[in-house]
Amino acid sequence: DTAVSQTPKYLVTQMGNDKSIKCEQNLGHDTMYWYKQDSKKFLKIMFSYNNKELIINETVPNRFSPKSPDKAHLNLHINSLELGDSAVYFCASSQTARYTEAFFGQGTRLTVV
Amino acid sequence: QKEVEQNSGPLSVPEGAIASLNCTYSDRGSQSFFWYRQYSGKSPELIMFIYSNGDKEDGRFTAQLNKASQYVSLLIRDSQPSDSATYLCAVTFSGGYNKLIFGAGTRLAVHP
Repeated sequence: DTAVSQTPKYLVTQMGNDKSIKCEQNLGHDTMYWYKQDSKKFLKIMFSYNNKELIINETVPNRFSPKSPDKAHLNLHINSLELGDSAVYFCASSQTARYTEAFFGQGTRLTVV
Repeated sequence: QKEVEQNSGPLSVPEGAIASLNCTYSDRGSQSFFWYRQYSGKSPELIMFIYSNGDKEDGRFTAQLNKASQYVSLLIRDSQPSDSATYLCAVTFSGGYNKLIFGAGTRLAVHP
C-alpha cells in the first residue's frame, strides 16, 4: 500500500482555471504538508496542517487554499491558475509536528498553458 | 532568512569510491537534519536523519553533524551507479514546528 498518495499525478490546464490536488496518507501521522518544487528543483514548503489545524502558512498567494477534512487527508485548491504556478507539488506527512522526518507522495506535475 | 546551502554539483565519482556531500545551515538553533535522495522525476526519499553531533552510520551511508560549525555531511561508501541522483539536505529550524527547509540539492553522478 502506498503510504502517501496524491492525485492526479499529472495536471495540464489553461490559465485562469481552478484546480484541486488531493492527498491521503495511511501512516497514521498527525501532520501533513504541501511543498512546491519549481523548475530549478528547489523544494519549498507552502502549508502544514497538524490534526486538521493549519500551523504553517508560508508566503503563498491567497489563490492557494489548503483544506484538511481529517488528519489523513490534505487537499490543495488553486484558483485562477497562472503560468508561474507550473511546478511539481508534493504532499508529505510526518508523525508529529516537531522535529520528525517527513515522507513524500509521488508528486503532482502541474502545467499551466 | 533561514538558509540551507549545498554545492549544486555535479559531483562526479568513480564506481566504488567514497562520495562526500556537504551542507551548511544558517540557524544555530537547528535541531534536526535530514538527507533525502531524489531521482529524476521522482519524489524525495529519506535516507538518513541525525540529531546529535557526531557520526551516524547506516549501511553504506554515514551522516556527520557538527553543530558548532553548522554543517552536516553525507558520505556514501562504495558508490554505485544506482546512487546517481540529487541529494537534498533538509534542516528543521528552531521555533517549534517541523518546517523542513531544503537546500537546492547536490547532483551526484557515479560513473562505472
